[in-house]
Amino acid sequence: EPEVTQTPSHQVTQMGQEVILRCVPISNHLYFYWYRQILGQKVEFLVSFYNNEISEKSEIFDDQFSVERPDGSNFTLKIRSTKLEDSAMYFCASRVQGRANEKLFFGSGTQLSVL
Amino acid sequence: QQPVQSPQAVILREGEDAVINCSSSKALYSVHWYRQKHGEAPVFLMILLKGGEQKGHEKISASFNEKKQQSSLYLTASQLSYSGTYFCGTEYDSGYSTLTFGKGTMLLVSP
Repeated sequence: EPEVTQTPSHQVTQMGQEVILRCVPISNHLYFYWYRQILGQKVEFLVSFYNNEISEKSEIFDDQFSVERPDGSNFTLKIRSTKLEDSAMYFCASRVQGRANEKLFFGSGTQLSVL
Repeated sequence: QQPVQSPQAVILREGEDAVINCSSSKALYSVHWYRQKHGEAPVFLMILLKGGEQKGHEKISASFNEKKQQSSLYLTASQLSYSGTYFCGTEYDSGYSTLTFGKGTMLLVSP
């Protein structure tokens, strides 16, 4: 089965630093997502992205966050100035056309630790 | 809008059955079920669309009650490998919408 790949698997950073989390969605998928999961809690939606622009974003996705598709394969999440509470597992996901009857394919996640 | 899952946790012995519920206060179009093992990504189990269908996946099946805006996940003759956290995700529109997850139900199957 095709996979969504994420790098790095772990990222440790100091508070206030910028981090970029990288994802390669499945090649024929058009809708991309970022979710995050704080340890022991639910999977929370951050943002969806389609046709090179944000389709929807949650309250969590404030001005400190941005997403980009810099080339034809990568999809990145940037946190400009990390806070302690940004520590979480960040999952990238994609699906073919973003429709409600489609399965969401998750990557294996990036564990972000902000010290 | 976040779906509500119940129970929060279930402890079973191998071979026992369990039911996990997912409900919404808003009319649903689809319900997705995922299982997550500790430290791993959520793994897709099944999608149910409005229309009250029931689906099966090995010994794991689910139903969708459109009138109650509720889905139930049935795990029968549980195996050790069923242990994990089960999340339901809901969508309210047939078009381009966002999958929103509930808080999860932790399932532990012991020998």
